[in-house]
Amino acid sequence: EPEVTQTPSHQVTQMGQEVILRCVPISNHLYFYWYRQILGQKVEFLVSFYNNEISEKSEIFDDQFSVERPDGSNFTLKIRSTKLEDSAMYFCASLAGEYNEQFFGPGTRLTVL
Amino acid sequence: GENVEQHPSTLSVQEGDSAVIKCTYSDSASNYFPWYKQELGKRPQLIIDIRSNVGEKKDQRIAVTLNKTAKHFSLHITETQPEDSAVYFCAARSFGNEKLTFGTGTRLTIIP
Repeated sequence: EPEVTQTPSHQVTQMGQEVILRCVPISNHLYFYWYRQILGQKVEFLVSFYNNEISEKSEIFDDQFSVERPDGSNFTLKIRSTKLEDSAMYFCASLAGEYNEQFFGPGTRLTVL
Repeated sequence: GENVEQHPSTLSVQEGDSAVIKCTYSDSASNYFPWYKQELGKRPQLIIDIRSNVGEKKDQRIAVTLNKTAKHFSLHITETQPEDSAVYFCAARSFGNEKLTFGTGTRLTIIP
């Protein structure tokens, strides 16, 4: 069964550094998402991406965040200057179409020191 | 925007008994309601979902009910087993706005 994959599984960085989280969505999917989950809390929407552009973003997704789909397979989330409060699990998800299930990747645990 | 409330936050149930988790949503345009199970350190996994044109859906020991008028939906797990222990999240999604808005989660513990 096809799966969403994410790398790395765990990223440790110093405050102020840039990080790039990588995702490979399921190949025939059209919609892509990033969510985050602070330890012990609910999953929060960050951004959705469709047709090579951002379709929606949340208040969390400020100017420090950006997303890219640099080729036909990867989908990346960049945080330009990390803050302590960016420490969380970041999940990528993809969706085949409007009436389908959203599949989540295994997550990247980001720790900002 | 959509707001999803979920309760209880924790639930302990004797093995073999039933568990019920309830969610309410605010946006009447929401039309798809999935339930995810998340084990510690793992990704959310879809266990069942329901669309707004259906009032109830069942899959073996798991069922979901939806009351559109009252804007609430519930997860029912019967004959609970130890492997049902996890955190369960409800979510809501609107047509044309494909993001999921999650509830705050319920930590379900099955007592052997």
